[in-house]
Amino acid sequence: AQSVSQHNHHVILSEAASLELGCNYSYGGTVNLFWYVQYPGQHLQLLLKYFSGDPLVKGIKGFEAEFIKSKFSFNLRKPSVQWSDTAEYFCAVRDGSSNTGKLIFGQGTTLQVKP
Amino acid sequence: DVKVTQSSRYLVKRTGEKVFLECVQDMDHENMFWYRQDPGLGLRLIYFSYDVKMKEKGDIPEGYSVSREKKERFSLILESASTNQTSMYLCASTHDRFLHEQYFGPGTRLTVT
Repeated sequence: AQSVSQHNHHVILSEAASLELGCNYSYGGTVNLFWYVQYPGQHLQLLLKYFSGDPLVKGIKGFEAEFIKSKFSFNLRKPSVQWSDTAEYFCAVRDGSSNTGKLIFGQGTTLQVKP
Repeated sequence: DVKVTQSSRYLVKRTGEKVFLECVQDMDHENMFWYRQDPGLGLRLIYFSYDVKMKEKGDIPEGYSVSREKKERFSLILESASTNQTSMYLCASTHDRFLHEQYFGPGTRLTVT
């Protein structure tokens, strides 16, 4: 079965530090990739997505992610974090050949940014 | 803007009670989903529906059922609540489950005592 692994469960950074959150998935075929964010007390919202084309994807709020097919990875990056980036981040994968279209989510990474 | 609403933000129920969680979306989406979110486990799919009166089991359907009588509404039912069903429940919807992202509701935090 497909799985998604987020290596960092809890990350603590100071403001202006650079961020990279790891995401690896197990499926070798065509995939669609997503990063969602959940700010404290708010609903899950989409940060960015990759379906095809340029493997470097830019999202909202200065986030970007790079799809590296050979490494089965889709890591999330931000060059300089802000206190307002404190949130939980989820990587998700959709099997491109699936007849269900369902998303498989990683375990989530809690990011705490210290002012 | 897509709006997905859930009937309650917080719910406390007793073991053995029948529990209904309601979800409504206002964007005429065909596809709706129920997940539970637990610390360290991420989101796990319980059930989804791709049309009115249609339902498919997700990864953890045991102890749950669903109902989709109208396109905009998708209900999750706990027939006999148990303490291990204490969790955050998230509803999502999408127009095309193969091509588009899912839009999430605010969640219902259910506590079963």
